[in-house]
Amino acid sequence: GAVVSQHPSRVICKSGTSVKIECRSLDFQATTMFWYRQFPKQSLMLMATSNEGSKATYEQGVEKDKFLINHASLTLSTLTVTSAHPEDSSFYICSARDRQGGGSPLHFGNGTRLTVT
Amino acid sequence: QQPVQSPQAVILREGEDAVINCSSSKALYSVHWYRQKHGEAPVFLMILLKGGEQKGHDKISASFNEKKQQSSLYLTASQLSYSGTYFCGTGGNFGNEKLTFGTGTRLTIIP
Repeated sequence: GAVVSQHPSRVICKSGTSVKIECRSLDFQATTMFWYRQFPKQSLMLMATSNEGSKATYEQGVEKDKFLINHASLTLSTLTVTSAHPEDSSFYICSARDRQGGGSPLHFGNGTRLTVT
Repeated sequence: QQPVQSPQAVILREGEDAVINCSSSKALYSVHWYRQKHGEAPVFLMILLKGGEQKGHDKISASFNEKKQQSSLYLTASQLSYSGTYFCGTGGNFGNEKLTFGTGTRLTIIP
């Protein structure tokens, strides 16, 4: 149980275009999902917390107008990278808990490798 | 604040033991441990919630010190499959708190 599905796994886009990444909880409902970004050989850095039915909470330094998050249902959150630039190339990973409480683990999607040319 | 892990990297021969430390400047509510292989998503290992707690399964265990500012992950009789980058994650103990990941420790096991 507790499967998180993320698509696409890889995407290459041209500079200036937008890319949408989907994150789905397959066998549980997730009122909250977390979006992380990871640059090569670095840690996972939280970008934003996605809340079902309300606005996402962005971490300091993350541009909300550039990284659009929509959490329209209890099983789907999307991250759209708008006007992508080469410096946005990274590994984007979503995660969610299948039950409440900080004492429960995060379940991760398989990540999306974004390359902006 | 991001927890600091040490060492940054370690190379072991199969069968050797390793200790990975995760330190914070402030008391933590919880510590999570994850392992990530290259190009893959992190995989959950365990959570510690109480000061002085020790937990483990198989040959991987962890501890959380009394002041709840440091946690250590112990890998005994390492196997090739243990290779990867280990991250501690710290967060709250209620609601749906976000997790802040540590700086990471790259572990390489060689035959």
